[in-house]
Amino acid sequence: GNSVTQMEGPVTLSEEAFLTINCTYTATGYPSLFWYVQYPGEGLQLLLKATKADDKGSNKGFEATYRKETTSFHLEKGSVQVSDSAVYFCALNQAGTALIFGKGTTLSVSS
Amino acid sequence: DVKVTQSSRYLVKRTGEKVFLECVQDMDHENMFWYRQDPGLGLRLIYFSYDVKMKEKGDIPEGYSVSREKKERFSLILESASTNQTSMYLCASSRWTGSSYEQYFGPGTRLTVT
Repeated sequence: GNSVTQMEGPVTLSEEAFLTINCTYTATGYPSLFWYVQYPGEGLQLLLKATKADDKGSNKGFEATYRKETTSFHLEKGSVQVSDSAVYFCALNQAGTALIFGKGTTLSVSS
Repeated sequence: DVKVTQSSRYLVKRTGEKVFLECVQDMDHENMFWYRQDPGLGLRLIYFSYDVKMKEKGDIPEGYSVSREKKERFSLILESASTNQTSMYLCASSRWTGSSYEQYFGPGTRLTVT
């Protein structure tokens, strides 16, 4: 069946450091891929998405590229801020069914 | 902006009580979902609905039921609450963007069963 695996956290970085959170997936066909972010005490917000191979999703300085050959969708940001501290979820979706989530990666950024 | 609201942010109930969690979306979305979120387990799908009065079981439906009498409202029901149902419950609705379905989440209800 379909599944998403993302790197375990927590990830602890200093402000302005480079961020990578790895995400790989298993799916038949061509799923859509997403990154969601959850700030403390809140629900999930869509951060970015990609719907086909080699698409790059981007938002708020975050980027992720849909790599079908490696079945990956790694999240990157060149310079993190304290306000980026949150839990990040990688997810996939096929044909309108519910999202399948990774277990989440907690990011903590210190000044 | 899409808005998904949930009836309570925090809820404390006793074992054996019947519990209703309400979710409302204001964008005429056809699909609605209930997830629970637990540390180390991520989000797990309880039930979803793709139309009024239609429902489908997710990965962990045991101990839960749902109701969708109107398109904008999707209710999660704990028939007899148990302590292992203490969790964060997240509701979502989804729309087709032309290239994919996007899900929008409510703020969540943190339920404690004592």
